[in-house]
Amino acid sequence: EAGVAQSPRYKIIEKRQSVAFWCNPISGHATLYWYQQILGQGPKLLIQFQNNGVVDDSQLPKDRFSAERLKGVDSTLKIQPAKLEDSAVYLCASSLNSEVLETQYFGPGTRLLVL
Amino acid sequence: ILNVEQSPQSLHVQEGDSTNFTCSFPSSNFYALHWYRWETAKSPEALFVMTLNGDEKKKGRISATLNTKEGYSYLYIKGSQPEDSATYLCALNTGNQFYFGTGTSLTVIP
Repeated sequence: EAGVAQSPRYKIIEKRQSVAFWCNPISGHATLYWYQQILGQGPKLLIQFQNNGVVDDSQLPKDRFSAERLKGVDSTLKIQPAKLEDSAVYLCASSLNSEVLETQYFGPGTRLLVL
Repeated sequence: ILNVEQSPQSLHVQEGDSTNFTCSFPSSNFYALHWYRWETAKSPEALFVMTLNGDEKKKGRISATLNTKEGYSYLYIKGSQPEDSATYLCALNTGNQFYFGTGTSLTVIP
């Protein structure tokens, strides 16, 4: 079974530029999550999708971050414009469904450095 | 924002040593506790999901215990090997959301 795929693995941009990350979840997984992990902190949930609908985006900075999962499969997360404090690892995870105890399977992450 | 704490932040052990680390969480928000292992340049991997007070789970040389009344979980590694080197993350599942700790970075010295 193929795991969660993310690209790119690394990205360096200058502040005020835009950037997009892509995630392809495990086939058949209805629930998809984007997390942000800033150095020295634990991963923080940015947004959760159930199929192509948003379940929770309460911690997504909506003035600059956006995410979509148009066909209920892969997803993109965009930052526009980027700030220095957006430097972090962006993790995508998927689970079979949104049942509370369902295991989340993570991708390898995208490491973003904003200069 | 709930505070999930892990200690120590990092540790170095010799190959063959046994070790343990702690995850502390607010017990009033408990639904489940998850442990993940994250090797450098790889994806975080789920180790355990624990739900019941007194739960003990085991996977090879790694085991975990849970105390929901006092709000902590221990992860034990018996006879550490270099391949155990990774960051170990715990996450509190409140039923609505996951709250991750900052992780314990383990380095096993051959």
